[in-house]
Amino acid sequence: QAVLTQPSSLSASPGASASLTCTLRSGINVDTRRIYWYQQKPGSPPQFLLSYRPDSETQRGSGLPSRFSGSTDASANAGILFISGLQSEDEADYYCMVWHSNTVFFGGGTRLTVL
Amino acid sequence: QVQLVESGGSVVQPGRSLRLSCTASGFTLRNYGMHWVRQAPGKGLEWVAVVWHTGRTKYYADSVKDRFTISRDNSRNTLYLEMKRLTAEDTAVYYCARDPGEDRPIDSWGQGTLVTVSS
Repeated sequence: QAVLTQPSSLSASPGASASLTCTLRSGINVDTRRIYWYQQKPGSPPQFLLSYRPDSETQRGSGLPSRFSGSTDASANAGILFISGLQSEDEADYYCMVWHSNTVFFGGGTRLTVL
Repeated sequence: QVQLVESGGSVVQPGRSLRLSCTASGFTLRNYGMHWVRQAPGKGLEWVAVVWHTGRTKYYADSVKDRFTISRDNSRNTLYLEMKRLTAEDTAVYYCARDPGEDRPIDSWGQGTLVTVSS
């Protein structure tokens, strides 16, 4: 079972909202982890968006609009990247990341289509 | 400004070796951990390895352990990835990336260098 699981794709309309989920493997508690989110557009390296950990400071990338926010769903053991007021420029691949046992794990990525 | 430039990617035959380099500028390399992350064509990100400040502490993904070696030369502002016994599954764009540590995010990435393993 993968450490992090993300839906492969998500579609939403301009102006709508999108919740991108990142489910942690059983035994790795989302409440004790900082989940990092990265955005990647074609032909470019990933770019840090934000990181979220319950009861800790949310870290935000430089210039990140307030439309982007992070949270967790403890009942689903998942991290969530929430994007409101979707714009065409938000169309990209989104990856979550965690540290576990001194190593880094990425989710498989979610391709967000805004149409 | 912060800049990371990877080099050394090429077409290599299965079973051969290759060394990648990442030259850093605009910051003091010894103050940061450094990662290699790869991305196979059309696929997602896969973490490869990390080396912390002095170079003594290193960790690897299971998929590359015992074949890849990460190292750094802070005096030369350069990060390395020595890759041995390459297979087609190692074909990917390899990115180097900077990590401030202490729970902070990987915050800068290079543009990547392409490694193609093919006969």
